Amino acid sequence: RKEVEQDPGPFNVPEGATVAFNCTYSNSASQSFFWYRQDCRKEPKLLMSVYSSGNEDGRFTAQLNRASQYISLLIRDSKLSDSATYLCVVNRGATNKLIFGTGTLLAVQP
Amino acid sequence: EAGVAQSPRYKIIEKRQSVAFWCNPISGHATLYWYQQILGQGPKLLIQFQNNGVVDDSQLPKDRFSAERLKGVDSTLKIQPAKLEDSAVYLCASSPVRRQSSYEQYFGPGTRLTVT
Repeated sequence: RKEVEQDPGPFNVPEGATVAFNCTYSNSASQSFFWYRQDCRKEPKLLMSVYSSGNEDGRFTAQLNRASQYISLLIRDSKLSDSATYLCVVNRGATNKLIFGTGTLLAVQP
Repeated sequence: EAGVAQSPRYKIIEKRQSVAFWCNPISGHATLYWYQQILGQGPKLLIQFQNNGVVDDSQLPKDRFSAERLKGVDSTLKIQPAKLEDSAVYLCASSPVRRQSSYEQYFGPGTRLTVT
């Protein structure tokens, strides 16, 4: 079983739609959680950190449920420019080692 | 601020040949990481340096892969000899050392390796 699991998609949604991605992690000692975005043939870039209280950045909302070891990302009012792969990432601890999921591909259609 | 630099951007070699990749991290970043990203998968950490010391190389195939960061700045990753399954994008990342336990990693553009 992979340490970080995501639905690979693709998720094909129309512009303006709301879309949600889910992710589960298996190591209960994981300390920090992130969503990274990776455009086609580009490097990953940090989208947002994920906090237990939930956090929002514009159209993006991230949630963490430590008891269920579950992380989510909600994108409201999807734009064409949101088309990318969204990587769920877990930080194991003191060495800042990041464990990446396989990514979820989002394609926003006009 | 200049980002993480990597070269070459693309490399095609035959199996059993050798190849080397170079990375220059963001100035002042003490921690440097090499990742392997196979098509359709997320990046997998190969090795992590802090300054010129190795922090984690548990997933580095040491029979064929080696990496060094001699002066605590730039780094090279070598594969010798290459296998078909080494075809992937090799990403270098760097991060500063801060008091909090986690901090953003900044990735370079990667080197796309094709082994034929």
